[in-house]
Amino acid sequence: ETGVTQTPRHLVMGMTNKKSLKCEQHLGHNAMYWYKQSAKKPLELMFVYSLEERVENNSVPSRFSPECPNSSHLFLHLHTLQPEDSALYLCASSQEGTGGTDTQYFGPGTRLTVL
Amino acid sequence: AQSVTQPDIHITVSEGASLELRCNYSYGATPYLFWYVQSPGQGLQLLLKYFSGDTLVQGIKGFEAEFKRSQSSFNLRKPSVHWSDAAEYFCAVGGNTDKLIFGTGTRLQVFP
Repeated sequence: ETGVTQTPRHLVMGMTNKKSLKCEQHLGHNAMYWYKQSAKKPLELMFVYSLEERVENNSVPSRFSPECPNSSHLFLHLHTLQPEDSALYLCASSQEGTGGTDTQYFGPGTRLTVL
Repeated sequence: AQSVTQPDIHITVSEGASLELRCNYSYGATPYLFWYVQSPGQGLQLLLKYFSGDTLVQGIKGFEAEFKRSQSSFNLRKPSVHWSDAAEYFCAVGGNTDKLIFGTGTRLQVFP
């Protein structure tokens, strides 16, 4: 595997379910990101981890819970989601995680549908 | 505050025609500017990046962009579009103490 991978690619869940999204980067980077991409809206940064420490939480509801066990893996745990949470969730990584200067490399995303 | 505007939501061009996608930004300090492309069902791929030096930046797939500080613009160009260029294009701005802010994207459709 190369680059940034995400699983699953598609997920349908009910509002009472608990599920997790997984991201893995094979680039040796130190920073990882979760973004939400909704139709006709700019990408929304959700969380940033640098060297496994959370450095940004962009006012995301607590029903989204990130986890970064090491610099190569990032999870997004989901519970009691709402239909408006349906979106494409993108994971990205970068070398240093230095705010807005570092090139970010994106995974293919997980298309989430909440029923 | 930091912001990015992509005025064109949707652009249609014929294959072989030239292309220009517009991007205007607002940023108080020296901006780092990016263009990304997203093909259907895929994540974002970096086309090119500017932060200093020559204001005309060359990227992958034959794309280039020109930074014009006086106009706060960073437009993306390609002299001859191929059908495989059909995708969504995102401009983004960042800086040393700020996160990356993306525009809403421009969807490019290419007719044969």
